[in-house]
Amino acid sequence: AQSVAQPEDQVNVAEGNPLTVKCTYSVSGNPYLFWYVQYPNRGLQFLLKYITGDNLVKGSYGFEAEFNKSQTSFHLKKPSALVSDSALYFCAVRDDTGTASKLTFGTGTRLQVTL
Amino acid sequence: DTAVSQTPKYLVTQMGNDKSIKCEQNLGHDTMYWYKQDSKKFLKIMFSYNNKELIINETVPNRFSPKSPDKAHLNLHINSLELGDSAVYFCASSQGASGGAGQFFGPGTRLTVL
Repeated sequence: AQSVAQPEDQVNVAEGNPLTVKCTYSVSGNPYLFWYVQYPNRGLQFLLKYITGDNLVKGSYGFEAEFNKSQTSFHLKKPSALVSDSALYFCAVRDDTGTASKLTFGTGTRLQVTL
Repeated sequence: DTAVSQTPKYLVTQMGNDKSIKCEQNLGHDTMYWYKQDSKKFLKIMFSYNNKELIINETVPNRFSPKSPDKAHLNLHINSLELGDSAVYFCASSQGASGGAGQFFGPGTRLTVL
């Protein structure tokens, strides 16, 4: 089965600084990778995905993610963090089960951006 | 317009009761999902329906029974509720069973079993 790991429970960043939220994956075959964000008391919102093509994927709200095959990583990045980016971030991988697919999520990383 | 909606938003009930959560999507998607998020925020898929057909059924107690009356709706019925069922339940939808375009999530239903 496919899996992703998010090694950090929490990441703290000062506003205006660059941020990185880490994700590594373990898949057989080509990986289909996703990042989602969950704001307090809200559902998950899709940020970006990697299926194929350029290793640098641009997404919503100024976020981007870098796919690195040799390091089996898909880290989420933003050049300049905002306080409003504070939320819970989930990395996910598409796991094909016969005719259907499901998303397998990481354990989440809480991003805290302070002034 | 709300893309994926769930009712109720909060549900507090006693152990042993039976309850239902409803989900509707107006995105025209053909695939819908139920996820459970526990107190540690761990998110795990429970069920998936494609065109009203059950295509994913994870290891979930048979007290949980999903029902999809049409492509736009996926309801979750839970019998004989237990304390461990307390969690936030998220509905999601996607176009295609592959989910390659990403899934759209509802706001969640916080279930508390007393």
